[in-house]
Amino acid sequence: DGGITQSPKYLFRKEGQNVTLSCEQNLNHDAMYWYRQDPGQGLRLIYYSQIVNDFQKGDIAEGYSVSREKKESFPLTVTSAQKNPTAFYLCASSIMWQGIYEQYFGPGTRLTVT
Amino acid sequence: SQQGEEDPQALSIQEGENATMNCSYKTSINNLQWYRQNSGRGLVHLILIRSNEREKHSGRLRVTLDTSKKSSSLLITASRAADTASYFCATGSNDYKLSFGAGTTVTVRA
Repeated sequence: DGGITQSPKYLFRKEGQNVTLSCEQNLNHDAMYWYRQDPGQGLRLIYYSQIVNDFQKGDIAEGYSVSREKKESFPLTVTSAQKNPTAFYLCASSIMWQGIYEQYFGPGTRLTVT
Repeated sequence: SQQGEEDPQALSIQEGENATMNCSYKTSINNLQWYRQNSGRGLVHLILIRSNEREKHSGRLRVTLDTSKKSSSLLITASRAADTASYFCATGSNDYKLSFGAGTTVTVRA
């Protein structure tokens, strides 16, 4: 899991509540990412950030928000507008080396909303 | 959007056998990466192959890339129980993003 920490490992919330997932990295990487993974499926990109104070929507950004106030931190808020928030959430960071980005992943947070 | 598609979706082999999985993609890339995910954990980077490379090795792993067919394969030789995991290919072009496939679940039986 390298130098990326995600907390908590398991998170339970009631429907209608916003919840924030933490992601911190000490790898000095510029870029950070949030993915969602549903059972038996691949990773879908929610948001990504190339530098501090800048971020872009991924493929499934609706119902999510992020901030990037520090290089080390990229928290994800799952809002009540997200229709199906129960999933496994993965944070990653990357650095460019010879024109290629290799991503390093955190251990993930499993969110259950009932 | 998911560009890579792995085949097969699931694979069950005996310990000591080789495991081969394939990845196909649709648009041009400048690199393809393979990752492993143990159940309930994050992804671990295994190997990266650039678009101008045809084959790479890392320990018991061998990756090939055929850009004319837009496909890649991952071979794990002499499999062990610890190789039981899901394996994902991810394609990259000239930006920060990677596109991941749905993965191949490999079970190694003792």
